[in-house]
Amino acid sequence: IVLTQSPDSLSLSPGERATLSCRASQTVSVYFLAWYQQKPGQAPRLLIYDASSRATGIPDRFSGSGSGTDFTLTISRLEPEDSAMYYCHQYASAPKTFGQGTRLEIK
Amino acid sequence: QVQLVESGGGVVQPGGSLTISCVVSGFNFNDYGVHWVRQAPGKGLEWATFIRYDGSNKYYAESVKGRFTTSRDTSRRTVHLQMDGLRSEDTGIYYCAKDGERRSHYGRWLDGWGQGTLVIVSS
Repeated sequence: IVLTQSPDSLSLSPGERATLSCRASQTVSVYFLAWYQQKPGQAPRLLIYDASSRATGIPDRFSGSGSGTDFTLTISRLEPEDSAMYYCHQYASAPKTFGQGTRLEIK
Repeated sequence: QVQLVESGGGVVQPGGSLTISCVVSGFNFNDYGVHWVRQAPGKGLEWATFIRYDGSNKYYAESVKGRFTTSRDTSRRTVHLQMDGLRSEDTGIYYCAKDGERRSHYGRWLDGWGQGTLVIVSS
């Protein structure tokens, strides 16, 4: 399954809302999709799993939604520390795949 | 807390071999599978392998199948990735990551990551 993320990059101001999209080339069964955040020089961090479940310790500003082939990560009330790359990841079928990433800049 | 620490990265010539390792702590190693995910310089994430919690099954990306072998040593709480026939396109940071579902058969989300070890394939 090929995952295509959009946009490739976006620049927003603190307090705004970010909407990141992940589109799959075929249906992702059983909501088997996750989102990760990666900051420069750091390992990725799990944000969302099973499309909409927040990982432990992730603030409720981060939310996931979607099903089938279209998934969304929404970050409300943006903060400067949200600047990072964001990747979606499907684990519904082999081989597991990641999207190419969306770069979020907080102005 | 969950910790994964990779080691063994380095510079290797094309066609050569290298084994990297991942020591885990902070969770019941016998209940969780472990993935390897790699990242080429300046590029995105690429899933490479998954070994089931009991080591009974292993899964590989097409790009590494037949060249890479993952294994686990329960007594040492360690997962290994043996890499043979290395190519320049294998250059990158290699992360080990804990699977998020207890006793998953095929692997699910990745809820704990190491800091990675750098592998450079170059003559």
